[in-house]
Amino acid sequence: EPEVTQTPSHQVTQMGQEVILRCVPISNHLYFYWYRQILGQKVEFLVSFYNNEISEKSEIFDDQFSVERPDGSNFTLKIRSTKLEDSAMYFCASRYDLTTGELFFGEGSRLTVL
Amino acid sequence: GDSVTQMEGPVTLSEEAFLTINCTYTATGYPSLFWYVQYPGEGLQLLLKATKADDKGSNKGFEATYRKETTSFHLEKGSVQVSDSAVYFCARGPTGAGSYQLTFGKGTKLSVIP
Repeated sequence: EPEVTQTPSHQVTQMGQEVILRCVPISNHLYFYWYRQILGQKVEFLVSFYNNEISEKSEIFDDQFSVERPDGSNFTLKIRSTKLEDSAMYFCASRYDLTTGELFFGEGSRLTVL
Repeated sequence: GDSVTQMEGPVTLSEEAFLTINCTYTATGYPSLFWYVQYPGEGLQLLLKATKADDKGSNKGFEATYRKETTSFHLEKGSVQVSDSAVYFCARGPTGAGSYQLTFGKGTKLSVIP
């Protein structure tokens, strides 16, 4: 069964460092998303991406964040200068079109900022 | 603002017990509603969904009914198993045009003991 894969599963970094989280969405999907969950809190929407551009972003997704689809398969989330409060589980998701309700999620990448 | 509220966990049940996890939402309009499940070490998986009022979503013995009058989508299962131990997330789709961002609840951790 096709699945969304994410790497790394866990990353520990120092405050101020750049981090890139990688995702491989399901191959025929067209819409891509990043969500995050700070420990004990809600799963929060960060950004959606379609047709090689951001289609929607939340207020969390400030200038420190960026997304890219550098080739036909990867979808990356970059945090330029990490802060302690960026520590969270980051989920990538994809879907084929807007008429079906289901988002397919990856297993998540846990980011710990020290 | 629009939100999803689900009951606080953790919930611990004995095998074969009846499960209810409450979920209420606020929204302008009638969004699609979802339950996602996250088993240990895995990503978020769609468990069931309902797209309009009075719809009942069901899967793997779990059920939830879209109640417009109470703005609720409570998850139920008549007889839980140890393998149902997971974190359950209620989610709501958007009510307007957009890129289909989901709004999640905080998640409820369920532990089923033999």
